[in-house]
Amino acid sequence: DAGVIQSPRHEVTEMGQEVTLRCKPISGHNSLFWYRQTMMRGLELLIYFNNNVPIDDSGMPEDRFSAKMPNASFSTLKIQPSEPRDSAVYFCASSIKGRTEAFFGQGTRLTVV
Amino acid sequence: KQEVTQIPAALSVPEGENLVLNCSFTDSAIYNLQWFRQDPGKGLTSLLLIQSSQREQTSGRLNASLDKSSGRSTLYIAASQPGDSATYLCAVNTGTASKLTFGTGTRLQVTL
Repeated sequence: DAGVIQSPRHEVTEMGQEVTLRCKPISGHNSLFWYRQTMMRGLELLIYFNNNVPIDDSGMPEDRFSAKMPNASFSTLKIQPSEPRDSAVYFCASSIKGRTEAFFGQGTRLTVV
Repeated sequence: KQEVTQIPAALSVPEGENLVLNCSFTDSAIYNLQWFRQDPGKGLTSLLLIQSSQREQTSGRLNASLDKSSGRSTLYIAASQPGDSATYLCAVNTGTASKLTFGTGTRLQVTL
């Protein structure tokens, strides 16, 4: 298995532009998570899905952030409009619901200028 | 709200030393605890997972212990090598959905 795949790996965009981050979870995993990592706040959970359904989005910072999971093999995290303070590394992770390990993608480094 | 703390924040040791990284959490009602390694500019690699019913897990030179009642975990690295240099993160799962709360990490440097 190729593991959790995220794209793009790096994204540089101008303030005000829409940004879409993509994630393909490990086949067979039914839980998917989006995390954000910054120097100041470390790793924070933004939202997670079980069986393609959003369960907890309390970590989503603002209405500018939205996430979707149209099927079991694909999820997106969208920021619209983007702001410089959104600059961070965004990680996607997947797991089998229950007491098993979470597997992380390589992350997308987002820079908003 | 679960809070996870890691001490020390940074550690530098000479090659060959045995070392211990510490992780503490405030809510002992956890399902499992996971140790990760993160190399600069890279993603997270899972090292060890300890279920709440277990006391320790071992993988090669790594040994992780869990004392749920006191809210502590340790990661023991034996005979450290320069390739062990990375940031080590612990994360606790307090629900069935693998929803992880992360510590701030320990940045380890192993020198020649």
